[in-house]
Amino acid sequence: GQNIDQPTEMTATEGAIVQINCTYQTSGFNGLFWYQQHAGEAPTFLSYNVLDGLEEKGRFSSFLSRSKGYSYLLLKELQMKDSASYLCAVLDSNYQLIWGAGTKLIIKP
Amino acid sequence: GAVVSQHPSRVICKSGTSVKIECRSLDFQATTMFWYRQFPKQSLMLMATSNEGSKATYEQGVEKDKFLINHASLTLSTLTVTSAHPEDSSFYICSARDASGPRSSYEQYFGPGTRLTVT
Repeated sequence: GQNIDQPTEMTATEGAIVQINCTYQTSGFNGLFWYQQHAGEAPTFLSYNVLDGLEEKGRFSSFLSRSKGYSYLLLKELQMKDSASYLCAVLDSNYQLIWGAGTKLIIKP
Repeated sequence: GAVVSQHPSRVICKSGTSVKIECRSLDFQATTMFWYRQFPKQSLMLMATSNEGSKATYEQGVEKDKFLINHASLTLSTLTVTSAHPEDSSFYICSARDASGPRSSYEQYFGPGTRLTVT
């Protein structure tokens, strides 16, 4: 079966750094997405990785290791507005998005 | 960036009635649109994939006669919840795929969602 694992909830302090991990086992791989979703709102795109390595975009970075079936989202200089759920999703061999359950990130002052 | 609108944003209806939700891609053509449902504190659950001009593909466990999907044009897909019941109350989100680019063709752009409450 297809499976994506990410922690259910994480807590971090404003101004700090947090890393949200995602491991996956899917039938094929055509890329991995990270989305941010605030409560009661639709997801918004953060990043897309299809090759191994780190992609940096401002305060957010995303890393991928295809051999390990592993990705992480790194958030730096945390702000209160970063409190949200972070969804990891993998594009499988049929180009279907397989979604993780999401990680709820709580930022404390 | 690509924009997807969804209407209505909130709807309250009585049990037994039907509700139609519209999803529109405003500045791109969406050959494929997706309908998701999300219960509180849970992840997105894909209900169906809708391709323009053809029948929708429903995920296992989703009743096609209850959740009618129509994708009549490259910019519009509709989801009709027929004979709604309180257990259908949920957050319904559509997304659209812009097929005009290489890598971006698989990124899904999400609508703002529709909160359905069935009383």
